[in-house]
Amino acid sequence: ELKVEQNPLFLSMQEEKNYTIYCNYSTTSDRLYWYRQDPGKSLESLFVLLSNGAVKQEGRLMASLDTKARLSTLHITAAVHDLSATYFCAGASSGTYKYIFGTGTRLKVLA
Amino acid sequence: DAGVTQSPTHLIKTRGQQVTLRCSPKSGHDTVSWYQQALGQGPQFIFQYYEEEERQRGNFPDRFSGHQFPNYSSELNVNALLLGDSALYLCASSGQTVEAFFGQGTRLTVV
Repeated sequence: ELKVEQNPLFLSMQEEKNYTIYCNYSTTSDRLYWYRQDPGKSLESLFVLLSNGAVKQEGRLMASLDTKARLSTLHITAAVHDLSATYFCAGASSGTYKYIFGTGTRLKVLA
Repeated sequence: DAGVTQSPTHLIKTRGQQVTLRCSPKSGHDTVSWYQQALGQGPQFIFQYYEEEERQRGNFPDRFSGHQFPNYSSELNVNALLLGDSALYLCASSGQTVEAFFGQGTRLTVV
């Protein structure tokens, strides 16, 4: 069964710095999702990546997918405090409908 | 468009009791999935409903059951509640695209 691992689990970074969150998955995943979750809140969809080499950007966040390496990355550029949240990646295998989530990366941006 | 709506938002139950959570999908969506998110963890897939049938199920005991109505709304029922059932329960709806949208969740506390 598909397994999804994220690292790091916790990330404390200064404003204006860049960093990358990594998402590795164990078997073929048809699609890869990134979600943001604020404390006590639901999941906000950030990106859907469907093919090898896919790259999507929104503001200071950029996500990419390498299906050969079974790796997706979420890159944060010039972090600001508003980006503090927990970020999840999730995969879904072909022929299934369930998302398999990673354990999440808790990001804290320090002023 | 109201998006995915869940009720209630918070609930406190006693061990051994039964609980019903409700979800209305986003307009135009016909598929509803339920996830359990324990504190500090990623969401875990419970099951998915499509055309009023359970289409896929995760590794949850039979105490967890569900239903989908002709208007695509859904209920999650949990019998014989355990302390370990305390979690945020998330409903996600999807339609013809590969993306699921999550509701705000129901925070269940079992005491």
